[in-house]
Amino acid sequence: KQEVTQIPAALSVPEGENLVLNCSFTDSAIYNLQWFRQDPGKGLTSLLLIQSSQREQTSGRLNASLDKSSGRSTLYIAASQPGDSATYLCAAYSGGATNKLIFGTGTLLAVQP
Amino acid sequence: DTGVSQDPRHKITKRGQNVTFRCDPISEHNRLYWYRQTLGQGPEFLTYFQNEAQLEKSRLLSDRFSAERPKGSFSTLEIQRTEQGDSAMYLCASSLVGRGTSNTGELFFGEGSRLTVL
Repeated sequence: KQEVTQIPAALSVPEGENLVLNCSFTDSAIYNLQWFRQDPGKGLTSLLLIQSSQREQTSGRLNASLDKSSGRSTLYIAASQPGDSATYLCAAYSGGATNKLIFGTGTLLAVQP
Repeated sequence: DTGVSQDPRHKITKRGQNVTFRCDPISEHNRLYWYRQTLGQGPEFLTYFQNEAQLEKSRLLSDRFSAERPKGSFSTLEIQRTEQGDSAMYLCASSLVGRGTSNTGELFFGEGSRLTVL
């Protein structure tokens, strides 16, 4: 059974700092992996989708990597801003017939001005 | 807007009442998923449909919960005899899968329906 873990659970950094959020999964036979952002009381905003054949994806100040052999993904945020404050969720696609997403519990990020 | 829409966005109800949530997926998407998210946790899978067929249900979906997608378009999630433990955000997502498509099967989420049971 696939399990997704995110470390740390919470992170507070000063504005301008570069930071890394970590995600690990137990079953390396994942299909794709996706990072989401969630603001308090809101739905999910997709940030980056990494297909199983890819190693990384980039969008603006965000870069996500995927290492299936080690069961890890990282989300790198460059030059953090207060507007980046949110919960970041990592989710692995199960593939197969269902292809459902299995989520971690998230990292709550606070960027201090 | 052609994204996934959910209604209502917020619902406050008393314990024991029935509630129903509606999800309208992206129009050409043949799959529809329901998730539940409680405070401080990641979303958890409840069930999914391919067209009108409900193909998988999580053990989280007790017999008080029922989901339908009668015409393979919109879906409803009904909770009967609500309990305080049902308080959560209910998220709907849709995707497009099948032969002849080059898509990734990516799930697209709606804004969610927040349920508060008093």
